[in-house]
Amino acid sequence: DFQMAQSPSSLSGSVGDRVTITCRASQSIKNYLNWYQQKPGEAPKLLIYGTSNLQSGVPSRFSGSGSGTDFTLTINSLQPEDFATYYCQQSYSTPPTFGQGTRLEIK
Amino acid sequence: QLQLQESGPRLLKPSETLSLTCSVSGDSITTDASYWGWIRQPPGKTLEWIGSITYSGYTYYNPSLKSRLTVSRDTSKNHFSLRLTSVTASDTAIYYCARQRSDSGTYFLFETWGQGTLLLVSS
Repeated sequence: DFQMAQSPSSLSGSVGDRVTITCRASQSIKNYLNWYQQKPGEAPKLLIYGTSNLQSGVPSRFSGSGSGTDFTLTINSLQPEDFATYYCQQSYSTPPTFGQGTRLEIK
Repeated sequence: QLQLQESGPRLLKPSETLSLTCSVSGDSITTDASYWGWIRQPPGKTLEWIGSITYSGYTYYNPSLKSRLTVSRDTSKNHFSLRLTSVTASDTAIYYCARQRSDSGTYFLFETWGQGTLLLVSS
């Protein structure tokens, strides 16, 4: 299986901050990297697919980049609704696998 | 509007069999090129893909669960199901169903999710 490692496991930020979360794959996954947002008690929500494509309805303050094994999710100008846990997921190989998650908390 | 709803037991004893159903409204599980999947999340942990079934009935399983797993569908009821045998405490998790979407040759984009159902395995 392809292992996905996220860092940091948690971070804190203030409204208006810019934050970056990284995801590293154990082998090249080309650009088959997706990001999900999960709030407590809710199902995950697809944010970004194919490394940098915003899912319909997702605000433009979210962006993704990377290729091969190293990827980033950037959130510009944090909003109160952005405090959640974020997961990366590779869709290059079966089984699809997820990172361990990054919890974004209010500072 | 597409909606998915999981249903099934909340509590099982070790060695019992889990049966979950995902009822779909707003789309047909036989829609061309559609994939439908199961994902689980143990409390406080990350997500694990369980398995999927395609619009034509073909199934894909996570190798780690394959020996205990069956994913099936009932097109007349527009739902798909998961059956997991010989459950243990490690199967305790929130179980989600989801509609998958294709992009650039992959079908493992989990685009629309059910609300999830929590299963506890305990004696």
